[in-house]
Amino acid sequence: EVQLLESGRGMVQPGGSLRLSCVASGFTFNKFAMSWVRQAPGKGLEWVSAITGSGGGTYYADSVKGRFTISRDQSKNTLYLQMNSLRAEDTALYYCAKGLRFGNYGDYDYWGQGTLVTVSS
Amino acid sequence: QSALTQPRSVSGSPGQSVTISCTGTSSNVGGYNYVSWYQQHPGKAPKLMIYDVNKRPSGVPDRFSGSKSGNTASLTISGLQAEDEADYFCFSYGGSYASSIFFGGGTRLTVL
Repeated sequence: EVQLLESGRGMVQPGGSLRLSCVASGFTFNKFAMSWVRQAPGKGLEWVSAITGSGGGTYYADSVKGRFTISRDQSKNTLYLQMNSLRAEDTALYYCAKGLRFGNYGDYDYWGQGTLVTVSS
Repeated sequence: QSALTQPRSVSGSPGQSVTISCTGTSSNVGGYNYVSWYQQHPGKAPKLMIYDVNKRPSGVPDRFSGSKSGNTASLTISGLQAEDEADYFCFSYGGSYASSIFFGGGTRLTVL
């Protein structure tokens, strides 16, 4: 059974940093792209970042480019999102999602339950 | 990045069919056959319903179908059921140089 378990939720001040983690199980981790998708309270889904199965390709939404860094540790079956220079508009529920294939094409067949990030002074 | 355009809401009665559109450009929806649709019930994680424009993951009822014409993709739900009431989002690949996944603002489906 595929499981994605996010952690790292918290409240930080504007300009602060936070690292999210997502531990994956139930599939061969290095064969699939992974992604972070967020949802602000009462709003729609927003794709944030993705990484290919090997980790050799990383992709970012314009809204987070230069501030967020996605990475994966194949030995730990863990996906990360390092978030720096956080802004109020980054406040959202952050989902970890598994891609259907090695590359990133926006098709995610399994999702975690989400971890809440609040940026506020 | 640019968003895809979806209607804010659609509705239908049980047993009827509804179609949700997702309009992009030739740089995303029109340029690639990588359009996905997600269903999200309140307080729940999204669920993949359609990928590659018209393919269904295992377990998704065949009442759900996808298509594309030009820069517009569509999700059709036939034989509407009460449990289909949810928010629906479209995602589209934008090419390796775009480095982005384009997404729609979401459509609220109400089953009357």
